[in-house]
Amino acid sequence: EVQLVESGGGLVQPGRSLKLSCAASGFTFSNYYMAWVRQAPKKGLEWVATISTSGSRTYYPDSVKGRFTISRDNAKSSLYLQMNSLKSEDTATYYCARRVNYGVLFDYWGQGVMVTVSS
Amino acid sequence: DIRMTQSPASLSASLGETVNIECLASEDIYSDLAWYQQKPGKSPQLLIYNANSLQNGVPSRFSGSGSGTQYSLKINSLQSEDVATYFCQQYNNYPTFGAGTKLELK
Repeated sequence: EVQLVESGGGLVQPGRSLKLSCAASGFTFSNYYMAWVRQAPKKGLEWVATISTSGSRTYYPDSVKGRFTISRDNAKSSLYLQMNSLKSEDTATYYCARRVNYGVLFDYWGQGVMVTVSS
Repeated sequence: DIRMTQSPASLSASLGETVNIECLASEDIYSDLAWYQQKPGKSPQLLIYNANSLQNGVPSRFSGSGSGTQYSLKINSLQSEDVATYFCQQYNNYPTFGAGTKLELK
């Protein structure tokens, strides 16, 4: 059974940093692109970052480019999201998601971890 | 960015009824369209990909259609477990999502 378990969320002040982790199991992690998708409270979904199987290629929307960094450790079947210079508008539930091999859509999602950016 | 406009924002339907949700892309997305279901307090689940392909394990009462810029999700014979918010997502370019359609029972 595919499982994605996020951790590392919490309350952080504007301008500070936070690092999220996602532990994957039930599939060969190194064979899949992975991603982070967020959802602000009572709002829709926003793609945040994608990383290739080896970690050599990463992709971000303009809203987080230069502030967020996605990375992975295939030996540990783990995905990470380093978030710097956090803003109030980054407040959201962050989901770790597995990208399907034929397009940038997501067939498995974690349960999500809440990040609140507030002073 | 490709904008995805979903309608309606919410709807109320009776058990056994047929429901349609629409999604309009700001440009041609060549059927690179997925639908997700998100139940309250849960993470999204993939229902449909490539506009009309049913994801493994999804009940056959769900179906997708469309092309170009216009797409729709159809739920036949609505069940109580279908109460959820539904999102469309395009993946022809950097992925973007619709704002969601909240489906409730009448």
